[in-house]
Amino acid sequence: GQNIDQPTEMTATEGAIVQINCTYQTSGFNGLFWYQQHAGEAPTFLSYNVLDGLEEKGRFSSFLSRSKGYSYLLLKELQMKDSASYLCAVMDSNYQLIWGAGTKLIIKP
Amino acid sequence: GAVVSQHPSWVICKSGTSVKIECRSLDFQATTMFWYRQFPKQSLMLMATSNEGSKATYEQGVEKDKFLINHASLTLSTLTVTSAHPEDSSFYICSARGASGGGPIDTQYFGPGTRLTVL
Repeated sequence: GQNIDQPTEMTATEGAIVQINCTYQTSGFNGLFWYQQHAGEAPTFLSYNVLDGLEEKGRFSSFLSRSKGYSYLLLKELQMKDSASYLCAVMDSNYQLIWGAGTKLIIKP
Repeated sequence: GAVVSQHPSWVICKSGTSVKIECRSLDFQATTMFWYRQFPKQSLMLMATSNEGSKATYEQGVEKDKFLINHASLTLSTLTVTSAHPEDSSFYICSARGASGGGPIDTQYFGPGTRLTVL
């Protein structure tokens, strides 16, 4: 079966760095997405990785290792507004998105 | 970036009535649109996938006669919840996928969601 695993909840301190991991087992691979979802709102696109390596975009970076079925989202200089759920999703061979359950990130002052 | 709108944002209706939710891609042509449902503190659940001009593909357990999907054009899809009941109360989110500037071709862009409350 297809499976996406990510931690349920993480806590970090304002100004710090946090890494949210995601491991996956899917039927084929056409890229991995990270989305941010604030409570009561729809998800917003953060990043897309299809090749191995690190993609940096401002305070957010996303890493992919296809051989390990592993990705992480790195958030630097955490701000209170970064408190949200972070969703990992993998596009399989049928171009369908397989979603993780999301990681709720709590930022403390 | 790509913009997807959804209307209405909130709807409260009586049990037994039907509710239509519109999803529009504003600045790109969406070859595929998706409808999700999300209950409080739960993950997104895909309900159906629709391609313009063809019938929607429903996920297992989703009643196609209850959740009617029409993908009339490359920029518009509608979800109609027929004979809504309190257990249908949820956050309904559409997303659109297609060639758009600023993002990978297969990125799904989400509408803001519609919160449905059935009394």
